[in-house]
Amino acid sequence: SQQGEEDPQALSIQEGENATMNCSYKTSINNLQWYRQNSGRGLVHLILIRSNEREKHSGRLRVTLDTSKKSSSLLITASRAADTASYFCAWGRLYGNKLVFGAGTILRVKS
Amino acid sequence: NAGVMQNPRHLVRRRGQEARLRCSPMKGHSHVYWYRQLPEEGLKFMVYLQKENIIDESGMPKERFSAEFPKEGPSILRIQQVVRGDSAAYFCASSPQEGIDTGELFFGEGSRLTVL
Repeated sequence: SQQGEEDPQALSIQEGENATMNCSYKTSINNLQWYRQNSGRGLVHLILIRSNEREKHSGRLRVTLDTSKKSSSLLITASRAADTASYFCAWGRLYGNKLVFGAGTILRVKS
Repeated sequence: NAGVMQNPRHLVRRRGQEARLRCSPMKGHSHVYWYRQLPEEGLKFMVYLQKENIIDESGMPKERFSAEFPKEGPSILRIQQVVRGDSAAYFCASSPQEGIDTGELFFGEGSRLTVL
């Protein structure tokens, strides 16, 4: 993609395991955000990390940002079946006025 | 606190017809974004509007697509003379502040357009 990538495209794990998703982008950014989308629904904001931050936590979520590598990762610890969804990273370009979304990772948590 | 409201949730049109999708942002939000999502893909930016102004329409196809956000009423995404390739989910998002330098976007549930 000309804008960025997410990997893996799909991830299947057992309940209780950790899930890690990665995101890469190609521009300078203000912030990077992660969203969740359940099948057939809208996107829900999970967490935002600013370009001057390296790590952020929210409940079972941990996000890291490496601006030198233009990459971010989302870790979901102790996954639950209810975490099954698509996860998208999105970044706000420096001096930009919109979010650009990655292609997403489909996470399936088996109970 | 009503969230972002989109309607219709599902819309079926025949080729050549017009599709109108409506979006009411969250209360207090004056910035609206439209995104398109094809099956199994991410969201593609289409247009960013403020009340009575189009700020960025760099993602809008040059023909058949238009958007508005009038002083009163919802934002409208209009697709004229629809073709099968327009079949997608169209999402509206709103924000209380200019750009996305500091904030998150609040999304509606989407309008799913099917063109027969």
